[in-house]
Amino acid sequence: DAGITQSPRHKVTETGTPVTLRCHQTENHRYMYWYRQDPGHGLRLIHYSYGVKDTDKGEVSDGYSVSRSKTEDFLLTLESATSSQTSVYFCAISDVAGDTEAFFGQGTRLTVV
Amino acid sequence: LAKTTQPISMDSYEGQEVNITCSHNNIATNDYITWYQQFPSQGPRFIIQGYKTKVTNEVASLFIPADRKSSTLSLPRVSLSDTAVYYCLVGDIKSTGGYNKLIFGAGTRLAVHP
Repeated sequence: DAGITQSPRHKVTETGTPVTLRCHQTENHRYMYWYRQDPGHGLRLIHYSYGVKDTDKGEVSDGYSVSRSKTEDFLLTLESATSSQTSVYFCAISDVAGDTEAFFGQGTRLTVV
Repeated sequence: LAKTTQPISMDSYEGQEVNITCSHNNIATNDYITWYQQFPSQGPRFIIQGYKTKVTNEVASLFIPADRKSSTLSLPRVSLSDTAVYYCLVGDIKSTGGYNKLIFGAGTRLAVHP
């Protein structure tokens, strides 16, 4: 299995608090992605990165920011968590440009109360 | 990015062959077709990828007609453990100057019954 770790795996937080999720990889892959998954919506892309300090928005980026200061780490931040951001968050990595064979982490279950 | 359309759900029984079809009418010349599998509480896992005709691996086969406007994932002799959501993606995997956003649709929920 690809070396990709998400932390924390579970988190409960209160509305209005900041939350940061971490994705760490040991594969030295260039591309990293953050998704959220909700019942009935499949996987929706939040943000992605195509290199250190190179990031761009996905389908549902409002309310989220990301940072990638090192190849191995991709951070997803909810500046002020809302109940609508309760979801399961998945990180993914891929190697060469346009490579659709991506590897996914185990997910982070976030509950905003 | 080409939009894909799949059935929302399918049911099958153990030992049967299952075929899941994906429509991608606007597929571009350089696009490849990729399928992922997702079990409950896990991230998606790559199954198979192809450009045209037929591709087979130890898990599945992928059939792509000449016009490439659709593709069919074939799972031979399914078991209960094949119960999962299956996603079809279309994208240019050979792009050297750009990047792939990896856009997933809602997928097909396959339920295999005893």
